[in-house]
Amino acid sequence: QKEVEQDPGPLSVPEGAIVSLNCTYSNSAFQYFMWYRQYSRKGPELLMYTYSSGNKEDGRFTAQVDKSSKYISLFIRDSQPSDSATYLCAMKKAAGNKLTFGGGTRVLVKP
Amino acid sequence: EAGVAQSPRYKIIEKRQSVAFWCNPISGHATLYWYQQILGQGPKLLIQFQNNGVVDDSQLPKDRFSAERLKGVDSTLKIQPAKLEDSAVYLCASSLEYGASYEQYFGPGTRLTVT
Repeated sequence: QKEVEQDPGPLSVPEGAIVSLNCTYSNSAFQYFMWYRQYSRKGPELLMYTYSSGNKEDGRFTAQVDKSSKYISLFIRDSQPSDSATYLCAMKKAAGNKLTFGGGTRVLVKP
Repeated sequence: EAGVAQSPRYKIIEKRQSVAFWCNPISGHATLYWYQQILGQGPKLLIQFQNNGVVDDSQLPKDRFSAERLKGVDSTLKIQPAKLEDSAVYLCASSLEYGASYEQYFGPGTRLTVT
């Protein structure tokens, strides 16, 4: 079983819809939770990070962490065609720098 | 500010050949990472350097993969001999300092095809 599970998609939504992405994990030692966006043939870029449980909002993006359920989510409001990309969740323990990534969810926002 | 630079962008080799990738991190970033991203999967950490010392190489297949960061700046990753299953994108990333690892900045990657 992988430490971090993510539905590969693809997830296709119309422009303006809310995109809902999630990851589940098995290791309760993870304390830092991140979402990266990766465009085709590009490296991942950090969108948001959250420490421990709770919500965090940044513009059209909202990240949620539920440590009791080992479940994290990313919501994208008012989605745009430019949001079409693969979204990767990543997690880190309190000590060390190693990131453990999910497999990524491919998102397609149709005009 | 210039980002993480990698070269080459693409490489095609036959199995059993050797190949090397180069990475130049963001100026001033002490920590450098090499990841392997197989198609349809998330990146997997191969090796992490803090300045020119290795912090974590637990997932590096040391019988065929090697990496160095001699002067604490740029780095090379080598595969010798390559296998078909090494076909992947090799990503280099850097971060400002140990402990702020959530802020890893990635390069565009080198896409390796082993035939």
